[in-house]
Amino acid sequence: AQRVTQPEKLLSVFKGAPVELKCNYSYSGSPELFWYVQYSRQRLQLLLRHISRESIKGFTADLNKGETSFHLKKPFAQEEDSAMYYCALANNAGNMLTFGGGTRLMVKP
Amino acid sequence: DTEVTQTPKHLVMGMTNKKSLKCEQHMGHRAMYWYKQKAKKPPELMFVYSYEKLSINESVPSRFSPECPNSSLLNLHLHALQPEDSALYLCASSQDGGPSYEQYFGPGTRLTVT
Repeated sequence: AQRVTQPEKLLSVFKGAPVELKCNYSYSGSPELFWYVQYSRQRLQLLLRHISRESIKGFTADLNKGETSFHLKKPFAQEEDSAMYYCALANNAGNMLTFGGGTRLMVKP
Repeated sequence: DTEVTQTPKHLVMGMTNKKSLKCEQHMGHRAMYWYKQKAKKPPELMFVYSYEKLSINESVPSRFSPECPNSSLLNLHLHALQPEDSALYLCASSQDGGPSYEQYFGPGTRLTVT
């Protein structure tokens, strides 16, 4: 069975502060991990995927297989980063996406 | 066109009604998905269609019946629902079921069962 855990339901930081949204997973196969984001009144959309090793909107995430983690980081938070963030795990076939419980990020001015 | 569209945006139905949710994409994607999202909870996978064939049914009650008439359309037929089925129903699509393919989500249909 695959499982994704996001321990923080809410994370509140001030603008310019570093941000780390935690994600831990449990999966017996080779994991494919993603971060999805939902801004207010917008649809759920992909932020980044571990296989791309990209930095999107200043966010990065590194897959740590030893710690089974895929934490999302940004060195300097912006107010427009305020949103709901979901960590997600795809099975090897890629047809099952399991979401974590989500973390609401609030960036205060 | 790089969007997934869903209709209707809102739906209120009684427990004896029959209704359908519709999802459409014109990105040439061959995998389509239905998710259910309760308030303050993450999306939960219900069904997966791959190349117009049902490939995954996550033990969803038979009062939900999916249909994929063609590669661009996905329907969810609803019958004899319960109040606890009230939720946001999300449709998504991806290029195929491969693990690295991004899923594109629609805005959802907010369903209320009275």
